[in-house]
Amino acid sequence: QQQVKQSPQSLIVQKGGIPIINCAYENTAFDYFPWYQQFPGKGPALLIAIRPDVSEKKEGRFTISFNKSAKQFSLHIMDSQPGDSATYFCAASRVNRDDKIIFGKGTRLHILP
Amino acid sequence: GAGVSQSPSNKVTEKGKDVELRCDPISGHTALYWYRQSLGQGLEFLIYFQGNSAPDKSGLPSDRFSAERTGGSVSTLTIQRTQQEDSAVYLCASSLVQSGYEQYFGPGTRLTVT
Repeated sequence: QQQVKQSPQSLIVQKGGIPIINCAYENTAFDYFPWYQQFPGKGPALLIAIRPDVSEKKEGRFTISFNKSAKQFSLHIMDSQPGDSATYFCAASRVNRDDKIIFGKGTRLHILP
Repeated sequence: GAGVSQSPSNKVTEKGKDVELRCDPISGHTALYWYRQSLGQGLEFLIYFQGNSAPDKSGLPSDRFSAERTGGSVSTLTIQRTQQEDSAVYLCASSLVQSGYEQYFGPGTRLTVT
């Protein structure tokens, strides 16, 4: 019940395409859903996050879509660029609790020039 | 401002030796996390500190692994009698309070056990 299942494991998209990464969770107590971006040799960094009171959040070319009833959320990258090539992790947690954040296993995204 | 720093950045050690990895979190961040990332793999949770106490140690792989945090700031992850399977990047992250807030990750310590 504590797992966050992420797919696909890897993804190759042409420049300008819209990669979509999906995550599913089981614990309905989760109320914070961030996405982290990690470049090779670096630590992950927060990209965008959503709370369950909204169904969509956009920041620049990055959009989170959230489906509370299906317990799923996804990351869309509009007009993808080679510089977006990285590993993306979805995650889930409960706000203001002494809980650890649960990360998905990651998606390695490669944007072809 | 200063981010999360980790030292050393790289550590090569012989099998059976003990190693200490250090994490300096962002000043004022009360929560601190340790993760392990094997090559091309995901983030394996090791331990979480809130202040100096560790509410969740469930990810420590064996009793060879231990961690402490002093003064609500610096944390040290110690691996005793290192094994080749301990080779990985060890990442530290801190956040302002508890879960549900942005975690700021350090650059990691790449540990190689020969």
